[in-house]
Amino acid sequence: DAKTTQPPSMDCAEGRAANLPCNHSTISGNEYVYWYRQIHSQGPQYIIHGLKNNETNEMASLIITEDRKSSTLILPHATLRDTAVYYCIVRVAGTGNQFYFGTGTSLTVIP
Amino acid sequence: GAVVSQHPSRVICKSGTSVKIECRSLDFQATTMFWYRQFPKKSLMLMATSNEGSKATYEQGVEKDKFLINHASLTLSTLTVTSAHPEDSSFYICSARDGGLQGKLFFGSGTQLSVL
Repeated sequence: DAKTTQPPSMDCAEGRAANLPCNHSTISGNEYVYWYRQIHSQGPQYIIHGLKNNETNEMASLIITEDRKSSTLILPHATLRDTAVYYCIVRVAGTGNQFYFGTGTSLTVIP
Repeated sequence: GAVVSQHPSRVICKSGTSVKIECRSLDFQATTMFWYRQFPKKSLMLMATSNEGSKATYEQGVEKDKFLINHASLTLSTLTVTSAHPEDSSFYICSARDGGLQGKLFFGSGTQLSVL
């Protein structure tokens, strides 16, 4: 699986958009980009995933660059409950393919 | 989304005892489950891949005789930490994949193991 690079930490003001970048310059054509987050002492929570096109759901938007070498997770109106570690993972979608977690970005939403 | 239940959420045991952690997929069948370990302020480390009806595949450096994994049904996988020692104290998390959901993993809430 491709390696990802994320900034170790970010701050965001409550109510503003949080934009979390992820670099995956060695991604291959059949690898998806997945985003998960982990709130302290809990299991990771699925946020969103995509292959080529931008995606949006009730939690967030995922913007993938045209060359697919990087992506940005957008939380449109951050709340204090969005404070968590956010992980960007790339992998081939398939039954046995493992998820390997990188170091993630620790997002702190500030009141 | 799919629900993965992990039990117990917290366990304290004496050194030398064995501890079993259960992971259940509640509303879907999981042919593959994964077990992770996490130390404080660190990322999740994949320990093993558990396939229903067959032996687990362990990541390099993970002792298979120390961390016994059983995946006897499509909804249940167990991790047994045998002869636990203080260095085995950690946060253990299971996850399961629903084959119909484009490869998304769903995670349990984790088990905090403390070995005295």
